[in-house]
Amino acid sequence: DVKVTQSSRYLVKRTGEKVFLECVQDMDHENMFWYRQDPGLGLRLIYFSYDVKMKEKGDIPEGYSVSREKKERFSLILESASTNQTSMYLCASTGNSYEQYFGPGTRLTVT
Amino acid sequence: AQRVTQPEKLLSVFKGAPVELKCNYSYSGSPELFWYVQYSRQRLQLLLRHISRESIKGFTADLNKGETSFHLKKPFAQEEDSAMYYCALGSGAGSYQLTFGKGTKLSVIP
Repeated sequence: DVKVTQSSRYLVKRTGEKVFLECVQDMDHENMFWYRQDPGLGLRLIYFSYDVKMKEKGDIPEGYSVSREKKERFSLILESASTNQTSMYLCASTGNSYEQYFGPGTRLTVT
Repeated sequence: AQRVTQPEKLLSVFKGAPVELKCNYSYSGSPELFWYVQYSRQRLQLLLRHISRESIKGFTADLNKGETSFHLKKPFAQEEDSAMYYCALGSGAGSYQLTFGKGTKLSVIP
């Protein structure tokens, strides 16, 4: 069965902290994505990666960076968390189709 | 630039009534369109894609290139259809990137 896991379901951080969100998939997928999901704004793409060490900016990359050192793992990094980054973060992966498989999400609160 | 518009944030219907969730898109190429669904406390998942022309859980969606629409329809709503629905457009790039609409929350009233 297809599986995408995210390191935390809930996370509370303080303003200015460095935050790491981890995503792991076990399907040998080349493509991985980070979105944030906000009410009324839908899903917005932050970054994606189409191969190990390769990354591309999405629609809202400001304030975020990513790392993909291994094929199965894609990390989202908030260098200095701010309150406007409080959101639900979704990771997804896909191989060679538009069927993206999503993780359960991490609800991040920055205080 | 490609864009997906879902004009309704919230749609409430009675059980047994027909449902239509609207989706319009803007794209210069040949579009690939999808509906994704997120049930309460579950992961976002693919519901259906226009290419397959299939019916999933009683839902269908027809691509209308003239009206640039891909509305999701079901003749008789069920309570278990209550969920968040997102229309998505494929970018045509090799990474299989999707552009999502803002979503419509469907509430089926018993």
